[in-house]
Amino acid sequence: DTAVSQTPKYLVTQMGNDKSIKCEQNLGHDTMYWYKQDSKKFLKIMFSYNNKELIINETVPNRFSPKSPDKAHLNLHINSLELGDSAVYFCASSPYRDRRQLFFGSGTQLSVL
Amino acid sequence: AQSVSQHNHHVILSEAASLELGCNYSYGGTVNLFWYVQYPGQHLQLLLKYFSGDPLVKGIKGFEAEFIKSKFSFNLRKPSVQWSDTAEYFCAVNAEGSGNTGKLIFGQGTTLQVKP
Repeated sequence: DTAVSQTPKYLVTQMGNDKSIKCEQNLGHDTMYWYKQDSKKFLKIMFSYNNKELIINETVPNRFSPKSPDKAHLNLHINSLELGDSAVYFCASSPYRDRRQLFFGSGTQLSVL
Repeated sequence: AQSVSQHNHHVILSEAASLELGCNYSYGGTVNLFWYVQYPGQHLQLLLKYFSGDPLVKGIKGFEAEFIKSKFSFNLRKPSVQWSDTAEYFCAVNAEGSGNTGKLIFGQGTTLQVKP
């Protein structure tokens, strides 16, 4: 069983489109995250949710909207995709008691043409 | 601003060679330190972590790292690498001042290629 699963693994789309990436964790964790890895491989936090409540929003454009229907899911919706959005997006989760312990998904490679 | 620097971007070794990957961070307060590994096509896995106590920490697959506070460093080592260690390695820092938010600051990663 995959602990943190993301779909799709690859996403190729045109500029201006709207797309979503889904994330689910079966670890019973309370906190979930989205990290972005740019072309230079830097991983940077975008959002963090705890029990469906937003706790971190790292100056990400409004076109990015995370949605957490329940604490096991954190989806990322991106409107009006731009070339610069091309990156690998990683979902992660951690237990509330120790948020230092992150468990990552395998990433979604987004290519905007 | 906090930052993490990994000095080696691409390392090529032969099997059985020793490995040391450098990691330095900039933050004056208490930190939690991590090394993650990403094998091709797979998720980021935790290799080892340092929260407190013995500055020499041992992780999975024979890896270890030493926290040297005076040098703001957390270098990763392995005495003898194997072909299966070929992967991307990331150093990360969580500052205690982050208030247990799970916010990790990552280095840019080091690609390790081990030749059989």
